[in-house]
Amino acid sequence: KQEVTQIPAALSVPEGENLVLNCSFTDSAIYNLQWFRQDPGKGLTSLLLIQSSQREQTSGRLNASLDKSSGRSTLYIAASQPGDSATYLCAGRGGATNKLIFGTGTLLAVQP
Amino acid sequence: NAGVTQTPKFQVLKTGQSMTLQCAQDMNHEYMSWYRQDPGMGLRLIHYSVGAGITDQGEVPNGYNVSRSTTEDFPLRLLSAAPSQTSVYFCASSSLGGALEAFFGQGTRLTVV
Repeated sequence: KQEVTQIPAALSVPEGENLVLNCSFTDSAIYNLQWFRQDPGKGLTSLLLIQSSQREQTSGRLNASLDKSSGRSTLYIAASQPGDSATYLCAGRGGATNKLIFGTGTLLAVQP
Repeated sequence: NAGVTQTPKFQVLKTGQSMTLQCAQDMNHEYMSWYRQDPGMGLRLIHYSVGAGITDQGEVPNGYNVSRSTTEDFPLRLLSAAPSQTSVYFCASSSLGGALEAFFGQGTRLTVV
């Protein structure tokens, strides 16, 4: 059974800092891994999707990596801004089941 | 440019009442699913469907029913609401081929009193 863990649960950084959010998963038979952003009281916005055959994906100041052998994915945010404050969720899709399993998220606060 | 649409956005129910949460997508996606989000527990899969006429249980299916009569719609039914079903509910869809990127609706905040 796939389990997804995100550490830390909460993170506070000053504006301008580069930061890394971590996501680990137990089943390496993963089809893809998706990173989402969730603002308070809102839905989930897809940030990056990494296929199992890929090592990383980039979008603007965001870079996500995937290492299936170690069961880890990281989301790197460069030059953080107060507008980046949100909860970041990672989710792994099982290769056999197609089910998308979520971590519990990292609550990020970027201080001006 | 609708994507995944959920209705209603907010709902208050009394214990024992029934209701249906609606979910519709306009991307012709085969795969649709329902999640509930509770503080400290993340999103948990309730039910999912891989196409019209096909549904299956997720991690927390008890107290919920689903059906999939069309590709576009995937309603979630609460048969007899309980306070433990107070939560935020999200519907998602994705294709079954290619990237399998998941798209989410804006959620339904349900309170059972």
